[in-house]
Amino acid sequence: QSVLTQPPSVSGAPGQRVTISCTGSSSNIGAGYDVHWYQQLPGTAPKVLIYGNTNRPSGVPDRFSGSKSGTSASLAITGLQAEDEADYYCQSYDSSLSGYVFGTGTKVTVL
Amino acid sequence: EVQLVESGGGLVQPGGSLRLSCAASGFTFSSYWMSWVRQAPGKGLEWVANIKQDGSEQYYVDSVKGRFTISRDNAKNSLYLQMSSLRAEDTALYYCARDADTPYGGTDYWGQGTLVAVSS
Repeated sequence: QSVLTQPPSVSGAPGQRVTISCTGSSSNIGAGYDVHWYQQLPGTAPKVLIYGNTNRPSGVPDRFSGSKSGTSASLAITGLQAEDEADYYCQSYDSSLSGYVFGTGTKVTVL
Repeated sequence: EVQLVESGGGLVQPGGSLRLSCAASGFTFSSYWMSWVRQAPGKGLEWVANIKQDGSEQYYVDSVKGRFTISRDNAKNSLYLQMSSLRAEDTALYYCARDADTPYGGTDYWGQGTLVAVSS
C-alpha cells in the first residue's frame, strides 16, 4: 500500500495554476529523503518531471516546479495546458521499509 | 540514448513462475542501481525491488519478499526478475527502470513494460 498520500484528482482551466500535494511521514519525506515527481501520459511509461525536490531534467518546461517542507511536498503546474492531462506520482525513500515508495497518484484534468 | 527493453511477460497460473528480463543499452549498465516497478491495471505505481551495481545488495517490497528475486548480469547488460508463487495480485505491467546516480535519487529512465497476467 502507498505510504505517500496524494489527492485523487485536480482540475483547472487552461492557463490556470494547479498544485498537487504529497503527504508522507517521519520515515520518508520527513526524514529528509528527496521527493521526485513523475508524469504518466495515457498509455505510456512514467517520465521523471522533478527530481531532488526542486530540479527539472532538461526538456521539462519551467511551468512545472516542486517544493518540499516537513513531511510533505508539492508539485505546481502554472499556465496549465491540454497536454498536461496525465497522472502524476510522487516518490521518496522510506527508511522503515528499506525501499522506495510512490504516492497514490493524481489525475490532472484540463477543463 | 538510454534504452530499457523488457521481455518475458505472459499469462501464468496462480502458483506458477515467470522470469522477466530487461536489456539495457546506451549507458554503462554496471554503474547504476536498477529497479523493477509495477503497475496493476488501472492502478498506481508500486516499486518492487532494486539491486546494487555489483549485485551484492537487493531490496524488495514486503509483498514479494521470499517470492521474487532480482538479479543482474553486467556482462550482458541485463536485469532480471524471477517471480515464483505468483498470485492474482501480481498481475501488472512490470517496468524496468534505472535508478538515478545519486543516493535515494529515484528513477531516471523507464522501459515500456512487460505485462504479467496471473489467472487460471
